[in-house]
Amino acid sequence: AQKITQTQPGMFVQEKEAVTLDCTYDTSDQSYGLFWYKQPSSGEMIFLIYQGSYDEQNATEGRYSLNFQKARKSANLVISASQLGDSAMYFCAMRERSSGGSYIPTFGRGTSLIVHP
Amino acid sequence: DAGVIQSPRHEVTEMGQEVTLRCKPISGHNSLFWYRQTMMRGLELLIYFNNNVPIDDSGMPEDRFSAKMPNASFSTLKIQPSEPRDSAVYFCASSLGQYPGDTQYFGPGTRLTVL
Repeated sequence: AQKITQTQPGMFVQEKEAVTLDCTYDTSDQSYGLFWYKQPSSGEMIFLIYQGSYDEQNATEGRYSLNFQKARKSANLVISASQLGDSAMYFCAMRERSSGGSYIPTFGRGTSLIVHP
Repeated sequence: DAGVIQSPRHEVTEMGQEVTLRCKPISGHNSLFWYRQTMMRGLELLIYFNNNVPIDDSGMPEDRFSAKMPNASFSTLKIQPSEPRDSAVYFCASSLGQYPGDTQYFGPGTRLTVL
């Protein structure tokens, strides 16, 4: 079973509009971390935002916020006021405890976001 | 502060040749990860070190792949012999520690092409 599911292979948004990128995860752990990364066409992986499983408040970083719904195992990324430079692949990731006891990261397949002028 | 450093940035080699990819993690980070990214398989974790010790190598594809971390500031990923299906972007990442809240920071990647 997929640990991280990103159901939207591609998304389009108008500049200045908000957009939500979906991410659901599968874990039986109580302690885990959720992350979002951006990969522009240049190829680097850029960390955007983190949410801990025990955090009651949704994480925010500038124009990025993470809509964390623990019971639904959902960690959607919301980008407000989209900019042309937001066009990129976006990856959701989770760090959970493995059978060996260490916290192993797993990434989703990503969502391609295109921002139209 | 310098981020994660990888070299080379691009590597083109012929099938059967040995390839060595290098990584310098962020100073003070105790965990290091090697990933492979392809269109077909996405981003795959190959191996994970903590305090220079391999913790999980279940993602290493086969015996042709090996990774070492001789000290806290250097790691290598070696492919011998290389095959065309090894063509991919290889990322190194590091994190402060091994806990769920420890963010991974990625290097720029090495684009490997095996002809």
